[in-house]
Amino acid sequence: GENVEQHPSTLSVQEGDSAVIKCTYSDSASNYFPWYKQELGKRPQLIIDIRSNVGEKKDQRIAVTLNKTAKHFSLHITETQPEDSAVYFCAASTKNRDDKIIFGKGTRLHILP
Amino acid sequence: DAGITQSPRHKVTETGTPVTLRCHQTENHRYMYWYRQDPGHGLRLIHYSYGVKDTDKGEVSDGYSVSRSKTEDFLLTLESATSSQTSVYFCAISERTGAETQYFGPGTRLLVL
Repeated sequence: GENVEQHPSTLSVQEGDSAVIKCTYSDSASNYFPWYKQELGKRPQLIIDIRSNVGEKKDQRIAVTLNKTAKHFSLHITETQPEDSAVYFCAASTKNRDDKIIFGKGTRLHILP
Repeated sequence: DAGITQSPRHKVTETGTPVTLRCHQTENHRYMYWYRQDPGHGLRLIHYSYGVKDTDKGEVSDGYSVSRSKTEDFLLTLESATSSQTSVYFCAISERTGAETQYFGPGTRLLVL
């Protein structure tokens, strides 16, 4: 089945700098790649997603890139702010079915003042 | 937040006792999911449902069963709770498939002594 690896597990970034989180997936048939943000004590919430027919997608300070050949995708956060501190999860849809997604293990992002 | 509630929000139980967690939605979404979240493991899918009385297993289904008799309710049962099932349980819903935005409930914190 699908396997999603996420790196790093922890990331500390100075406020105002950029943060990059990377994920790899195993199933070349996967076609949907969402990113979720979970603040401390809260529920996960979708922040951006990308489908396999697109190489890059942006939403204000957040962007996601997808390299289908290499089977990896990345989340880029620019001009980081204190409210960006959270755990971020990547995920990928499963082979030949759109019923479910498999999550990576998460990256805890700390924004340093 | 989408109209998703979970009950109870917190529960302490003893090993060997049965436990049922309830997820209720008011969005009329077709898909419903149960995840568990543990440190270092991210979000792992337990079971999911793609319609009334239609369910399937996820990555970590052993020791859990589910039922969905109505569109709005998805029940997760631990037949005989074990300490390894101590976790935070999240319910999620999506409208048509798993390969689109999943909206998470507030979570249930379960402690098995």
